[in-house]
Amino acid sequence: GAGVSQTPSNKVTEKGKYVELRCDPISGHTALYWYRQSLGQGPEFLIYFQGTGAADDSGLPNDRFFAVRPEGSVSTLKIQRTERGDSAVYLCASSLLAGGGETQYFGPGTRLLVL
Amino acid sequence: AQSVTQPDIHITVSEGASLELRCNYSYGATPYLFWYVQSPGQGLQLLLKYFSGDTLVQGIKGFEAEFKRSQSSFNLRKPSVHWSDAAEYFCAVGARGGSNYKLTFGKGTLLTVNP
Repeated sequence: GAGVSQTPSNKVTEKGKYVELRCDPISGHTALYWYRQSLGQGPEFLIYFQGTGAADDSGLPNDRFFAVRPEGSVSTLKIQRTERGDSAVYLCASSLLAGGGETQYFGPGTRLLVL
Repeated sequence: AQSVTQPDIHITVSEGASLELRCNYSYGATPYLFWYVQSPGQGLQLLLKYFSGDTLVQGIKGFEAEFKRSQSSFNLRKPSVHWSDAAEYFCAVGARGGSNYKLTFGKGTLLTVNP
């Protein structure tokens, strides 16, 4: 079946601009996660949704970052006033349930470059 | 908080040779343990995971990993490497209880396979 999809695959923007990154999870998966992977690093947790609500947004770096999942399926990660340090690969993952060692299925990521 | 160390940034092996990738974790109890593989342009794919019980875990693509509590390690092995195994490998831990939906990743080990 279809895996996690993310759009766009690449995004180039200028410093100060606003960007939106989209994630389509596996159908039926209730949990959705965003991670950020900087060059030479492993993925780092940003935010976790259970259904429509953000159950844990403790990994968001600052208030320029915001994410929504209004209908409990597709999620959008929004970054305001982008900075060069935001350049990274943004990974989305979903799982059938949350926690307890559930397998998280990852999308291919969106590579964001802020000039 | 948990942490993961992958001591080897880059490993090169010849095709057909055996492989061992190291992973050490820090956590107050026995965590959930995962190995993911990331090929260029691809999302993270789960190779195997450890929950409990048998400390030798079999995964996909002929990989296995052994959980050693005394050494806080979860090393990944393969008896005979194929050229298609060239990729980046990430070890990850998940907590038991609390924020158990959140994966903490190591920085990864890049595997090069020589013909």
